[in-house]
Amino acid sequence: RKEVEQDPGPFNVPEGATVAFNCTYSNSASQSFFWYRQDCRKEPKLLMSVYSSGNEDGRFTAQLNRASQYISLLIRDSKLSDSATYLCVVNQGSSASKIIFGSGTRLSIRP
Amino acid sequence: ETGVTQTPRHLVMGMTNKKSLKCEQHLGHNAMYWYKQSAKKPLELMFVYSLEERVENNSVPSRFSPECPNSSHLFLHLHTLQPEDSALYLCASSQVEGLAGDLAKNIQYFGAGTRLSVL
Repeated sequence: RKEVEQDPGPFNVPEGATVAFNCTYSNSASQSFFWYRQDCRKEPKLLMSVYSSGNEDGRFTAQLNRASQYISLLIRDSKLSDSATYLCVVNQGSSASKIIFGSGTRLSIRP
Repeated sequence: ETGVTQTPRHLVMGMTNKKSLKCEQHLGHNAMYWYKQSAKKPLELMFVYSLEERVENNSVPSRFSPECPNSSHLFLHLHTLQPEDSALYLCASSQVEGLAGDLAKNIQYFGAGTRLSVL
């Protein structure tokens, strides 16, 4: 089983739609979680951290389910500019070397 | 501008060449990383320098050699590479708080990467 697993997609949805991604992780001791966004041929950039109680940033909502070991990202009212690859990132421990990236989910928003 | 700069942005080299990638961070962070990103594969952590600690991914071949002269600069020395080493090499930095710190702060900031082609 991969340490961090994501559906690779691609997800192809119309503008204005709501889309959700899940990410599962294998290490139950994982301590912090993030969603990053990577545009084509660009570097990854932090989209949002994921907190235990769930958190929202505008059209984006992130949730953590420790019992089932997954995190989710919900995008409401999707925009063309949301087209990108979304990377799930899990920090497995206190060391800087324990950060694991998922392979990413590709999202394409069509007009 | 992310505060992490990488040079060169593009590099083409033969298998017998020696070259170096450079990364500089202007964010005052205490950890720096090298990642490799190949097509359709997840980011692969190659090396970490953090709080006096150096961590290596044991699967990284010895033809890749990192150097971290101070907390702001990181190099990746390349020699006798293979065509399968062609990839995007990304540098990142973060502020690691240590064992008692808030892990949520270990957010990584990436440079734009060096796209390497080995012929």
